[in-house]
Amino acid sequence: AQSVTQPDIHITVSEGASLELRCNYSYGATPYLFWYVQSPGQGLQLLLKYFSGDTLVQGIKGFEAEFKRSQSSFNLRKPSVHWSDAAEYFCAVGREGNTPLVFGKGTRLSVIA
Amino acid sequence: GAVVSQHPSRVICKSGTSVKIECRSLDFQATTMFWYRQFPKQSLMLMATSNEGSKATYEQGVEKDKFLINHASLTLSTLTVTSAHPEDSSFYICSARGGTSRSGANVLTFGAGSRLTVL
Repeated sequence: AQSVTQPDIHITVSEGASLELRCNYSYGATPYLFWYVQSPGQGLQLLLKYFSGDTLVQGIKGFEAEFKRSQSSFNLRKPSVHWSDAAEYFCAVGREGNTPLVFGKGTRLSVIA
Repeated sequence: GAVVSQHPSRVICKSGTSVKIECRSLDFQATTMFWYRQFPKQSLMLMATSNEGSKATYEQGVEKDKFLINHASLTLSTLTVTSAHPEDSSFYICSARGGTSRSGANVLTFGAGSRLTVL
């Protein structure tokens, strides 16, 4: 069965510091991987996605993620966090075709001055 | 880009009443839409897959008679919470795949969500 694990429930970083959010997946085939961000009371916004090719993908708002097949991981990174990045971040896995995504439980990011 | 509109964004209702939530794909056709439910500080759980012109497919544990899904056109799916109770209070989010290109066809676009509060 497909599953996504986000080991960190809550992370606090200082503004300007680097960030890494962890994501591990379990999938029977080559996965499509996604990171979404959700601000309080809002829907989800796609940050970036990986389908194939270059394992380092760039997204919006300065985020990037690296797909590591050997570790079944797709960690999200940002070199310098801004206060506006405080939100809930969800990693998700899916496959080709008209199929739904399976989400991790999310990591809440807090940014302090 | 693909846009999914969800309405209403917030609704408060009395226990026992029914509430309808609409999900529209604004600039693309969606033969399939997905309905998720999110409890406070929790992840998104897939409730059902809405298929245009046919019955929805519900996930295990989701009551199909309580959560009625209708996908009457290629741009509209509705979720009706029937005889709502306080435990149905939640954030409901719909999504659909947008675009016609290969890269766009595999990206789910989400609506902004509907917060239901049942008193």
